[in-house]
Amino acid sequence: TQLLEQSPQFLSIQEGENLTVYCNSSSVFSSLQWYRQEPGEGPVLLVTVVTGGEVKKLKRLTFQFGDARKDSSLHITAAQPGDTGLYLCAGARSNYKLTFGKGTLLTVNP
Amino acid sequence: DTAVSQTPKYLVTQMGNDKSIKCEQNLGHDTMYWYKQDSKKFLKIMFSYNNKELIINETVPNRFSPKSPDKAHLNLHINSLELGDSAVYFCASSQIAGETQYFGPGTRLLVL
Repeated sequence: TQLLEQSPQFLSIQEGENLTVYCNSSSVFSSLQWYRQEPGEGPVLLVTVVTGGEVKKLKRLTFQFGDARKDSSLHITAAQPGDTGLYLCAGARSNYKLTFGKGTLLTVNP
Repeated sequence: DTAVSQTPKYLVTQMGNDKSIKCEQNLGHDTMYWYKQDSKKFLKIMFSYNNKELIINETVPNRFSPKSPDKAHLNLHINSLELGDSAVYFCASSQIAGETQYFGPGTRLLVL
């Protein structure tokens, strides 16, 4: 059973466009983390959201945690080729496990 | 100064062989993990150790055996390698179990 559903799975856009990636679950998480993975490397943490309704901004990236702490979104404004990569959401619960979504592979074309 | 390092980065081997992957972290973290990332990029946890004690052991064939000689090291030994074991294996660490993970660069295993 996949606890975290990420959508879309693939996204190819032109430089300058905006996009949103969604991470949904029927389970409540104590926190939700977003990672970016570039080819040939391991995932790197972008942000952690903890409080329901929380919004965090990282330059052109905006992360939101749902009020019920079951879902999250990542919005990128004016995407650039350097944003290309695999975006992973991961939910933390009390059992020490971090459950990852299947990822969104983003390609930003110049 | 590499925070989480893994060796080897690439591993090509024949079916039936036994191989080991090593992981070291210099972050002073208490918890370490092994993940498997398949060809569809799905990242799935295999094992986790906290202060050398096994705390997560997912449904993984018993051909896979983790060993933690100290809290800075977590090695993964795989017996009787099978074609389906081909994947990228990531080591990670965190200060608190389940919190922010710091990943190594991955070990690309190809079983022929």
